[in-house]
Amino acid sequence: DQQVKQNSPSLSVQEGRISILNCDYTNSMFDYFLWYKKYPAEGPTFLISISSIKDKNEDGRFTVFLNKSAKHLSLHIVPSQPGDSAVYFCAARDSNYQLIWGAGTKLIIKP
Amino acid sequence: NAGVTQTPKFQVLKTGQSMTLQCAQDMNHEYMSWYRQDPGMGLRLIHYSVGAGITDQGEVPNGYNVSRSTTEDFPLRLLSAAPSQTSVYFCASSHGSSGANVLTFGAGSRLTVL
Repeated sequence: DQQVKQNSPSLSVQEGRISILNCDYTNSMFDYFLWYKKYPAEGPTFLISISSIKDKNEDGRFTVFLNKSAKHLSLHIVPSQPGDSAVYFCAARDSNYQLIWGAGTKLIIKP
Repeated sequence: NAGVTQTPKFQVLKTGQSMTLQCAQDMNHEYMSWYRQDPGMGLRLIHYSVGAGITDQGEVPNGYNVSRSTTEDFPLRLLSAAPSQTSVYFCASSHGSSGANVLTFGAGSRLTVL
């Protein structure tokens, strides 16, 4: 049973608009969440993170929101750019200080 | 600055063969790990190490061995390859002893077991 779920395998967004990627988790003990971005034939690269004591973290065009009561986090990208086309992974830190990963969402930015 | 280097990038094995996936990092990171990525699933942790001489099992360790004789290198050994081990393998490293610190990943090794 997957503890971290990204229910949208893919998402298509017009360039310049907002991209919203969603992630749900089941374990209320997760206390730290990260988003990674992956281009084809490359390894994932770190994008942004959020601690469970916060509900929002912002870094330039990227904002992550955390709703602990709903066990839900989302990544907002504004405005979306062609270089944002990639697979985005959500990950959560467990009690062993290891990451539990979602299956990823492929974001396609249309020109 | 090379970061994390994985070799080979591609490998085809027959069932029962053994092989080693190599991973090297030049950032003096204490923590190193191996993940596998399968379609429709998130990255799953195979083994990890928090320093030279220290290794531990992750979520899916069966069929794999690791060792950490130096800070730089963390090879992953497949003892007797099975088709279920067909996957893309990623090595990752970070400062500190936590697997949840910001990880630097290699480019991946695609393994096919026939």
